[in-house]
Amino acid sequence: NAGVMQNPRHLVRRRGQEARLRCSPMKGHSHVYWYRQLPEEGLKFMVYLQKENIIDESGMPKERFSAEFPKEGPSILRIQQVVRGDSAAYFCASSPQKGAGEKLFFGSGTQLSVL
Amino acid sequence: QQQVKQSPQSLIVQKGGIPIINCAYENTAFDYFPWYQQFPGKGPALLIAIRPDVSEKKEGRFTISFNKSAKQFSLHIMDSQPGDSATYFCAASNRFGSQGGSEKLVFGKGTKLTVNP
Repeated sequence: NAGVMQNPRHLVRRRGQEARLRCSPMKGHSHVYWYRQLPEEGLKFMVYLQKENIIDESGMPKERFSAEFPKEGPSILRIQQVVRGDSAAYFCASSPQKGAGEKLFFGSGTQLSVL
Repeated sequence: QQQVKQSPQSLIVQKGGIPIINCAYENTAFDYFPWYQQFPGKGPALLIAIRPDVSEKKEGRFTISFNKSAKQFSLHIMDSQPGDSATYFCAASNRFGSQGGSEKLVFGKGTKLTVNP
């Protein structure tokens, strides 16, 4: 039973390019969360999605960032026109239901570096 | 505004010691307090969690102490081992809220623990 799979593990982009981060939740999980971790900081919530729906995007920057979780396929976090300040580790977590607590599992993250 | 404050930022102990990591929160709506362990290059993994209706929870060598009136909670690691060397994060959420709860976790900034042999 594979865990939460994120790819790529490392992504290098130049300023102005687009970054696409993918997250495949654990089997049977239909709730996906994205968090961002800046150096020397804790994780900060970005967005919570269920299949085909954005439930809570209160942590998403107003511009350049978007997320989706289609009916088929992985969840995608998309960052347009990246800037150096976007460099961070991006973690995805999944759970089988809302309020799952102990059933919330994190992936190993995507380290985004913006040159 | 940082809603969960964690200290210390780093901690070094000898094998067998009892490191203690402290967290304080502000939002009284929080009703779920997990601790996560993170190794380099990995995502956080749930270690132990507590609800505010109990003052202490123990799982193996890990114990959470909770002080609701002070809005503080702490993690104690008994008989620490070099394999416990990792970054530890406290977190909080309004998991059991009246509208069905949320997994929107608010994390502390983390404590890098080093356990020397």
